[in-house]
Amino acid sequence: KQEVTQIPAALSVPEGENLVLNCSFTDSAIYNLQWFRQDPGKGLTSLLLIQSSQREQTSGRLNASLDKSSGRSTLYIAASQPGDSATYLCAVRKDNYGQNFVFGPGTRLSVLP
Amino acid sequence: GAGVSQSPSNKVTEKGKDVELRCDPISGHTALYWYRQRLGQGLEFLIYFQGNSAPDKSGLPSDRFSAERTGESVSTLTIQRTQQEDSAVYLCARASGPDTQYFGPGTRLTVL
Repeated sequence: KQEVTQIPAALSVPEGENLVLNCSFTDSAIYNLQWFRQDPGKGLTSLLLIQSSQREQTSGRLNASLDKSSGRSTLYIAASQPGDSATYLCAVRKDNYGQNFVFGPGTRLSVLP
Repeated sequence: GAGVSQSPSNKVTEKGKDVELRCDPISGHTALYWYRQRLGQGLEFLIYFQGNSAPDKSGLPSDRFSAERTGESVSTLTIQRTQQEDSAVYLCARASGPDTQYFGPGTRLTVL
């Protein structure tokens, strides 16, 4: 059974710092991995999607990497801003059929002005 | 927004009561997902609709949970005889594909 963990559970940094969030999964046979952002009282917003054949994806100040063989992904946020404060979740899909996302518990990020 | 509204936004109920949660997506997406998020945990998949049928109900935790969808639009998630462990945020998402999901704000359910 696939299990997804995220470290750290919570992180607080001063504005302007670069930071890395970690996601680990136990079964390397994944179809893709997705990073989401969740703001309090709101649903999830997709940030980056990495297919199993890809090594990384970039969007603005965000860069996500994937090392499928070791079961790891990282989300790098450059020059953090207070508006980046949210909970970040990663989710892996096993295959392309039906619904088989497995989500991690998330990392709660606070960027202090 | 994400084109998905959920109601109520908050629901407090007593143990043993039934509750009905509603998801109302904008039209044009045939797929709809329900998830549960317990405090401090990731999302747990509950059920997936393609049109009005549910090809995957594997995530429903017990027979107290059921869901239906009508008109390829509104969906309701019903929890019968609620228990304290049902307390969570229930999220639904409309989807144009499994990797492209647009989430509603969720319903926070508290069972006393």
